[in-house]
Amino acid sequence: GDSVTQMEGPVTLSEEAFLTINCTYTATGYPSLFWYVQYPGEGLQLLLKATKADDKGSNKGFEATYRKETTSFHLEKGSVQVSDSAVYFCALSIKGGSEKLVFGKGTKLTVNP
Amino acid sequence: NAGVTQTPKFQVLKTGQSMTLQCAQDMNHNSMYWYRQDPGMGLRLIYYSASEGTTDKGEVPNGYNVSRLNKREFSLRLESAAPSQTSVYFCASSLRSDGFTSGANVLTFGAGSRLTVL
Repeated sequence: GDSVTQMEGPVTLSEEAFLTINCTYTATGYPSLFWYVQYPGEGLQLLLKATKADDKGSNKGFEATYRKETTSFHLEKGSVQVSDSAVYFCALSIKGGSEKLVFGKGTKLTVNP
Repeated sequence: NAGVTQTPKFQVLKTGQSMTLQCAQDMNHNSMYWYRQDPGMGLRLIYYSASEGTTDKGEVPNGYNVSRLNKREFSLRLESAAPSQTSVYFCASSLRSDGFTSGANVLTFGAGSRLTVL
């Protein structure tokens, strides 16, 4: 079945460090790919998305590129801030059918001053 | 604009008790979803409703029932709560139009309901 695998955390970085959170997927069709972020005590909110191969999603300094050849959608940010501390979820939805989302297990990021 | 509103935010139940989690959205979205979030498990889909009048099982439907009361509201019911249902529950909605695949089904989530079953 369709699934998402993302790197296990927790990840702890110092402010201004470079961030990479790896995400790979398995899908029978042609998925859209997403990164959602969950700040403490809140629900998830969309961070960025990409709907086809080679698309790059970006938002708030975060980027991820849809790589069909490696079935990956790694999240990157060049310089993290304390306010980026959150749990990050990679997810996919398959075009057609119900388009419900399948989530990875989440990666907790803590950024220290 | 409230978005997705869930009630209650916190609830403690005893094994065997029943309860209903309420969810309402004011964005005129077509599809609604219930997920549960457990440590180390990420989010798992319990039930979803692609459009008003339809509901379908997700990955972990056992022990739950749902009702799509109207386009705005989607409730989740636990008929006989068990400790394994201790979790944080999230309701979500999306615009997705029936019969057409947008290719980018963006979900808007509520703030969550933390349920403890003793």
